[in-house]
Amino acid sequence: GIQVEQSPPDLILQEGANSTLRCNFSDSVNNLQWFHQNPWGQLINLFYIPSGTKQNGRLSATTVATERYSLLYISSSQTTDSGVYFCAVDGSNYKLTFGKGTLLTVNP
Amino acid sequence: KAGVTQTPRYLIKTRGQQVTLSCSPISGHRSVSWYQQTPGQGLQFLFEYFSETQRNKGNFPGRFSGRQFSNSRSEMNVSTLELGDSALYLCASSLVPPVGGGYTFGSGTRLTVV
Repeated sequence: GIQVEQSPPDLILQEGANSTLRCNFSDSVNNLQWFHQNPWGQLINLFYIPSGTKQNGRLSATTVATERYSLLYISSSQTTDSGVYFCAVDGSNYKLTFGKGTLLTVNP
Repeated sequence: KAGVTQTPRYLIKTRGQQVTLSCSPISGHRSVSWYQQTPGQGLQFLFEYFSETQRNKGNFPGRFSGRQFSNSRSEMNVSTLELGDSALYLCASSLVPPVGGGYTFGSGTRLTVV
């Protein structure tokens, strides 16, 4: 099956700093999503981005499908950005395969 | 519009018991899938249903089963619970194919087996 690798596994920032999270995947995909898991466990959908670039406020994402990677950019980070960020891909077999996540801690 | 609704939010069960979890998808979403999250194994796919048919199943023992009803609501059942079944169980719904927004997740059911 498809392998998904996320880096870095942990990231500690000061409020106001920028960061880049990376997701590599091993095969072509129909769907790629970035999620933020809140403290209560819910996966909040940040981006549906099988290819191209999207922006939503301080967050943006880019997927280069031909090179099998995606990047999530967080600018001017806030303490509320803390949590685990997951990349997940769907290789056309009706399931998402998740990476192990990046634990982001933003300190005030 | 209403999101994906999972019930109950929390459950405590004893080893050997069985449990049923429920998931109501977003209106218009006909695909429902289930995932298990544990600290050791991360997020793992359990199964996916569309039009009351299971289209894919993850690598879990037969104690884990599910079904989907004609209104797209889904249930999963775990029989003969083991301590290792303690986990957060997440349900997702999507359009078929999952274009546009992709998969949307519910708040999850946190199961503790004692």
